[in-house]
Amino acid sequence: EAQVTQNPRYLITVTGKKLTVTCSQNMNHEYMSWYRQDPGLGLRQIYYSMNVEVTDKGDVPEGYKVSRKEKRNFPLILESPSPNQTSLYFCASSFMTSGANEQFFGPGTRLTVL
Amino acid sequence: QKEVEQNSGPLSVPEGAIASLNCTYSDRGSQSFFWYRQYSGKSPELIMSIYSNGDKEDGRFTAQLNKASQYVSLLIRDSQPSDSATYLCAVNTDKLIFGTGTRLQVFP
Repeated sequence: EAQVTQNPRYLITVTGKKLTVTCSQNMNHEYMSWYRQDPGLGLRQIYYSMNVEVTDKGDVPEGYKVSRKEKRNFPLILESPSPNQTSLYFCASSFMTSGANEQFFGPGTRLTVL
Repeated sequence: QKEVEQNSGPLSVPEGAIASLNCTYSDRGSQSFFWYRQYSGKSPELIMSIYSNGDKEDGRFTAQLNKASQYVSLLIRDSQPSDSATYLCAVNTDKLIFGTGTRLQVFP
């Protein structure tokens, strides 16, 4: 089954404790992206990657890191999480390198930072 | 000005009615337009894409695009309570830009 997977699905952590949210897709998509979704603000892009070893900042990159060492995986790293990073996070992938076409979303990770 | 604008709603319609969801965008160079459905706490799910002016129908869903007026709409015929969700409009500029969504409520 073609899909985007994320882990963990739910995470409660404390300020400053490094964490990683994994994302993997099995559709051989070039483009991958991370979004956060907050009430009233919609989906905001954090980082994106157009190919292996190619990553770039989205609209809200502060406090986040990413890497793209393999085509299928695109982990999101929070080196020192803070309460304002409490949010619902989605990973997405797309066939086209620009990402400017239909994107397929993972199930989401609900993160709470205390 | 926001790049993609939607009325947040909620839009309330009775079961069996037509629900009309609208979206306007600012970049005249936009080429591709998408509607996603998102149930509460779930991920967005692509339901329609449209690339040229006019209407595109898929089952109970019809997407309408008017590039001159810079709007795209989604019609849901014979609305069902299971259609109750937030509908996100997404527009291609040099990347995909999402609106904040319109919450649809279909009551029995």
